Amino acid sequence: AQKVTQAQTEISVVEKEDVTLDCVYETRDTTYYLFWYKQPPSGELVFLIRRNSFDEQNEISGRYSWNFQKSTSSFNFTITASQVVDSAVYFCALRGGSQGNLIFGKGTKLSVKP
Amino acid sequence: GEEVAQTPKHLVRGEGQKAKLYCAPIKGHSYVFWYQQVLKNEFKFLISFQNENVFDETGMPKERFSAKCLPNSPCSLEIQATKLEDSAVYFCASSHIQGNYGYTFGSGTRLTVV
Repeated sequence: AQKVTQAQTEISVVEKEDVTLDCVYETRDTTYYLFWYKQPPSGELVFLIRRNSFDEQNEISGRYSWNFQKSTSSFNFTITASQVVDSAVYFCALRGGSQGNLIFGKGTKLSVKP
Repeated sequence: GEEVAQTPKHLVRGEGQKAKLYCAPIKGHSYVFWYQQVLKNEFKFLISFQNENVFDETGMPKERFSAKCLPNSPCSLEIQATKLEDSAVYFCASSHIQGNYGYTFGSGTRLTVV
């Protein structure tokens, strides 16, 4: 069975703090893809990153960075120097096997206070 | 176009009424996925299409939900005899090859059953 666990339901930080959102996944597939999406209060889903199982390189994009560790089945997301605009629900998702559909975690609600 | 167009944005139905939602995928994308998001939390996969063929319908409540993707028409998701529990945001996503290269989500249709 495939599963994505985001253990942190809600996180609250003060602006400029660094914050890490955890994501742990389960899959028996050797080839799979991991995603992070942001859902701001307006409701749309904003794509942040896609990573395939063969690429364990960590990625940095501006204030965002991702740490992919196959050994612990984790794909954590760090926001450096958080800003109020980062306030949103963040979803980690897995696509594996032949089904093609995404399996989402339950999301982590991040509140960044000024 | 380069966006997934979902209509309508909002839909209000009385319990027992029919609801029909539409999704125009990105041109050239052969896969379409429908998800239900209740209370901005969990995403539930409903159904996927490869062109006009059902690819995976393991998430579809069979009794009242149906979906189609016909050539040269937007895809549709129909709910017969809506129930209060159907109130949710319904997202459509399209992808090129089973999501290997990512998914593009529409902005969703908010269905409210009263």
